[in-house]
Amino acid sequence: GENVEQHPSTLSVQEGDSAVIKCTYSDSASNYFPWYKQELGKGPQLIIDIRSNVGEKKDQRIAVTLNKTAKHFSLHITETQPEDSAVYFCAASMGGGDDYKLSFGAGTTVTVRA
Amino acid sequence: KAGVTQTPRYLIKTRGQQVTLSCSPISGHRSVSWYQQTPGQGLQFLFEYFSETQRNKGNFPGRFSGRQFSNSRSEMNVSTLELGDSALYLCASSTGQTNTEAFFGQGTRLTVV
Repeated sequence: GENVEQHPSTLSVQEGDSAVIKCTYSDSASNYFPWYKQELGKGPQLIIDIRSNVGEKKDQRIAVTLNKTAKHFSLHITETQPEDSAVYFCAASMGGGDDYKLSFGAGTTVTVRA
Repeated sequence: KAGVTQTPRYLIKTRGQQVTLSCSPISGHRSVSWYQQTPGQGLQFLFEYFSETQRNKGNFPGRFSGRQFSNSRSEMNVSTLELGDSALYLCASSTGQTNTEAFFGQGTRLTVV
C-alpha cells in the first residue's frame, strides 16, 4: 500500500519566520494530497489540498507544492503566528480501488516562538 | 452548516467489553471513513462506507466493524476490547466522489482499562 513519510517530526520557528514541512509518497498512482492541522483535543482540520494536475496552490499564508516526478510535496507557511502552533499531517490518496482512503504521514509538531 | 458530530467524546471501557461509536456526517455527505489515531501508529485507516456499503477496509482485525444507515450516519463497533485499542477514533465525512475533501469530527477518546 501507499507509504507517506513526513519530515521533520518537530519544527520550532520564530514568529514571523517561515515553516516548511516535506512529505514523500511511494505510489505513483496517488493523485490527491491534503494537509491537515490538528490542535490539542480536536480533530484534524483540512487547511489546503492539491491534486496531481497542479504543481502549486496558495491560500493566503499557506502554500503547497507538488513534484510528481520526485513523488514529494511540501507545505509552506509564511509569516508564522502563535496560532499556527499545532501538529500538521500530510496525506496521500491512491487511485483506483483505494480512492477512498487517506494514508497519513506521522505528523510534524510546529511551535511558533513569540 | 453543522460539521461532523461524533458521540460520545470520551469512553472508558474494561478489557473484554465491546463498544459502539457514532458519527453523523455533514448534511449531504454520503461517505464516512473511520480512522484510529495513536501516538505510536499515527492515523490509520479502518474502513469507509458509502450509501450503506463498505467500499474499503484497512488492516485491522475482525473485532473492528462498522455500518452505515440510510441517513448516512455511521457506527463502528469494537468487540472484545484490548488495552491496545485505547486511541482517538476519528470519522471523516465527504461527498464520496473520488479524491474530494474529507472533514473530520472531534473524535471519540476510548480508554480501555
